[in-house]
Amino acid sequence: DVKVTQSSRYLVKRTGEKVFLECVQDMDHENMFWYRQDPGLGLRLIYFSYDVKMKEKGDIPEGYSVSREKKERFSLILESASTNQTSMYLCASNVPGGQETQYFGPGTRLLVL
Amino acid sequence: QQQVKQSPQSLIVQKGGISIINCAYENTAFDYFPWYQQFPGKGPALLIAIRPDVSEKKEGRFTISFNKSAKQFSLHIMDSQPGDSATYFCAASLRPNQFYFGTGTSLTVIP
Repeated sequence: DVKVTQSSRYLVKRTGEKVFLECVQDMDHENMFWYRQDPGLGLRLIYFSYDVKMKEKGDIPEGYSVSREKKERFSLILESASTNQTSMYLCASNVPGGQETQYFGPGTRLLVL
Repeated sequence: QQQVKQSPQSLIVQKGGISIINCAYENTAFDYFPWYQQFPGKGPALLIAIRPDVSEKKEGRFTISFNKSAKQFSLHIMDSQPGDSATYFCAASLRPNQFYFGTGTSLTVIP
């Protein structure tokens, strides 16, 4: 069974803290994605990676960075968390070609105080 | 701006009824249209998907209807069940690795 796991289900951080969200997939997928999900806005792409050390900006990359040192792991970094980054963060992966099924993790609900 | 517009925002249906969720898009370059189902506390999971060369796709109680000329597609859930209560997202793919999601529809099926 395919699996995408995210390191935390819930996180509470203070404004200005550096935040790391980790995602691991066990399907040997080349493509990995980070989205944020907000009520009334749906899912918006932050970054995606199509290979180790490769990344491309999505629609809302400001305030975020990513790291992909290993194929199975994709990290989202908030360099200096702000209250407007309070959200649900979803990681996903899929096979090369990119139009096939995206497999999502359970999400990390981040609260920035 | 929202690339894919989804309606309604919420929907309440009686058990056994038909649930209909609509999506519209503008960019004719989109060529893959998946629907995702999300239960509370879970990530979205692919429910059914269609490509624009067909007008309808059915899988069990779930059907996608696609109208290329109107740039609209919809999800129909026949014989809706309480277990179908979830949030549904439509999406459209512009090119590999680029997915645009609708804003979601919260479906509640009343027993």
